[in-house]
Amino acid sequence: SQKIEQNSEALNIQEGKTATLTCNYTNYSPAYLQWYRQDPGRGPVFLLLIRENEKEKRKERLKVTFDTTLKQSLFHITASQPADSATYLCAFYNQGGKLIFGQGTELSVKP
Amino acid sequence: NAGVTQTPKFQVLKTGQSMTLQCAQDMNHEYMSWYRQDPGMGLRLIHYSVGAGITDQGEVPNGYNVSRSTTEDFPLRLLSAAPSQTSVYFCASRGQGRNTEAFFGQGTRLTVV
Repeated sequence: SQKIEQNSEALNIQEGKTATLTCNYTNYSPAYLQWYRQDPGRGPVFLLLIRENEKEKRKERLKVTFDTTLKQSLFHITASQPADSATYLCAFYNQGGKLIFGQGTELSVKP
Repeated sequence: NAGVTQTPKFQVLKTGQSMTLQCAQDMNHEYMSWYRQDPGMGLRLIHYSVGAGITDQGEVPNGYNVSRSTTEDFPLRLLSAAPSQTSVYFCASRGQGRNTEAFFGQGTRLTVV
């Protein structure tokens, strides 16, 4: 079955640095890949979607890449701020049309 | 436009009790889903629906029932709660197409003792 792997270890970085989160997937080649942000006690909130024929997508300080050969997406936050601290989830619709998620990576940005 | 509304926000049940988690959306979305989220496990799909009268199982459906009598509502029923069902439950809805984003409710934190 299709599987999404994200680094389960929390990522701790200093304010102003670039945070890079990794999403790897197996047994499927999604046409679209999505990233969500989840704050404690809240539901996930959609951030970005990237298509398989897009190498890179940007939105303000966010950048997502999609390497279909490596079966990997990278999520970057440049000039990170403490307000960026949250859990970030990678997701895509699997072969059956169901939205599946990685386990998420917790990001902590220290001032 | 409230988006996706879940009730209750918190619930404590005794083993063997039944309850229904409510989910309603006002975006006229055909697709609705229920997930549970446990530490280290991420979001796991319980059941989903592609429209009124149509439901299907997800990855972890055992112990849960759903029905979809209207486009707006998608309740999740626990017929006989077990401690293993202690979790945070999220309802989500989306439009058609695999390039659509999902909208989530605020979640229900359920504890079964």
